[in-house]
Amino acid sequence: SQQGEEDPQALSIQEGENATMNCSYKTSINNLQWYRQNSGRGLVHLILIRSNEREKHSGRLRVTLDTSKKSSSLLITASRAADTASYFCATALNDYKLSFGAGTTVTVRA
Amino acid sequence: NAGVTQTPKFQVLKTGQSMTLQCAQDMNHEYMSWYRQDPGMGLRLIHYSVGAGITDQGEVPNGYNVSRSTTEDFPLRLLSAAPSQTSVYFCASSRGGLAGLTDTQYFGPGTRLTVL
Repeated sequence: SQQGEEDPQALSIQEGENATMNCSYKTSINNLQWYRQNSGRGLVHLILIRSNEREKHSGRLRVTLDTSKKSSSLLITASRAADTASYFCATALNDYKLSFGAGTTVTVRA
Repeated sequence: NAGVTQTPKFQVLKTGQSMTLQCAQDMNHEYMSWYRQDPGMGLRLIHYSVGAGITDQGEVPNGYNVSRSTTEDFPLRLLSAAPSQTSVYFCASSRGGLAGLTDTQYFGPGTRLTVL
């Protein structure tokens, strides 16, 4: 069974708007990672946040982690057409296994 | 660096046939893994390896074998293909090895497998 669940399943926004997606998980984790997948392509790593961190930034991306609520969020600011993709959270359950959620499909309209 | 490479990109098999999906990385990563991705689902871990000669099962290992004779290569073998194995297969690598998944994973472009 999958550890993480993203919400919403799909998101459609206007170019320039912000996009927020959430990830909830069930058990304690070592770290949580966010990936992007463009249609028909492999996954690209975006951000890794460790269990003792609360927030990380990378360019237009902001990730938060709340271990007490077992949840994380990914914010994309000032979205662009190129941000159209599926976004996955992945939790490191232990040292060697990464569990992925089903993903959020983001469509950025011009 | 080529990163993580996978061959073939596409493959069609008949039920019962066997084949090997190839995966190679040139980043000297100790950790390598195989995932499958089915429509509407995230990736599910099939097998992983923390270094040459060391492999272990993931979430969905049945019907698949792996070996790790070198740091660079991590082939995935389908023993007797079944329609349920129709999927997109991704290989990934990461630093860490026995130290664990402390770093990001780099993914290959995927192999699209159809079993008739």
